[in-house]
Amino acid sequence: GAVVSQHPSWVICKSGTSVKIECRSLDFQATTMFWYRQFPKQSLMLMATSNEGSKATYEQGVEKDKFLINHASLTLSTLTVTSAHPEDSSFYICSASGASGVNEQFFGPGTRLTVL
Amino acid sequence: SQELEQSPQSLIVQEGKNLTINCTSSKTLYGLYWYKQKYGEGLIFLMMLQKGGEEKSHEKITAKLDEKKQQSSLHITASQPSHAGIYLCGADPGTYKYIFGTGTRLKVLA
Repeated sequence: GAVVSQHPSWVICKSGTSVKIECRSLDFQATTMFWYRQFPKQSLMLMATSNEGSKATYEQGVEKDKFLINHASLTLSTLTVTSAHPEDSSFYICSASGASGVNEQFFGPGTRLTVL
Repeated sequence: SQELEQSPQSLIVQEGKNLTINCTSSKTLYGLYWYKQKYGEGLIFLMMLQKGGEEKSHEKITAKLDEKKQQSSLHITASQPSHAGIYLCGADPGTYKYIFGTGTRLKVLA
């Protein structure tokens, strides 16, 4: 149980285009979803926290107009990287909590974004 | 702000050897998680520790949380090439948001 999927697993796009990444909780209702970014050889950096039906809370230094997060249902959150540039290339991982009634997070497999 | 420090940053061991990875927090932890990650892939959950002095084992991996709940260790017995990867400790500092350690890169030589 407590499976989280991400789609796509990898994406290559041209500079200036927007890319949407989906995060789904497959067998539980996720009251909260988290989006992380990971640079090569570095740890995970929390970008934002989203609760179903409300606006996402962004961490300091993360541009909310650049990284649009929507948590439209209890099983789906999306991250849209708008007007992507090469510096946005990274590994994006989502997680979801709410499965066990406590704060434990379950992680998706990640999405590798490459912006040319 | 609370931080998690992992040591060592990287480790190369011969197959069959034991090894230990440490994770230290500046403040008391409400929950400590260990994950394994291969570069470019998602996190694989290993173990969760919540109580001071708690110890859990799964196959050849044992994790412990000290009594003060500020330090955890991950011990691998008789390492195998399949243990290679990045080990991350993550913690819930009581704010429902996780913080992560810097990671330990493990290579196991056959």
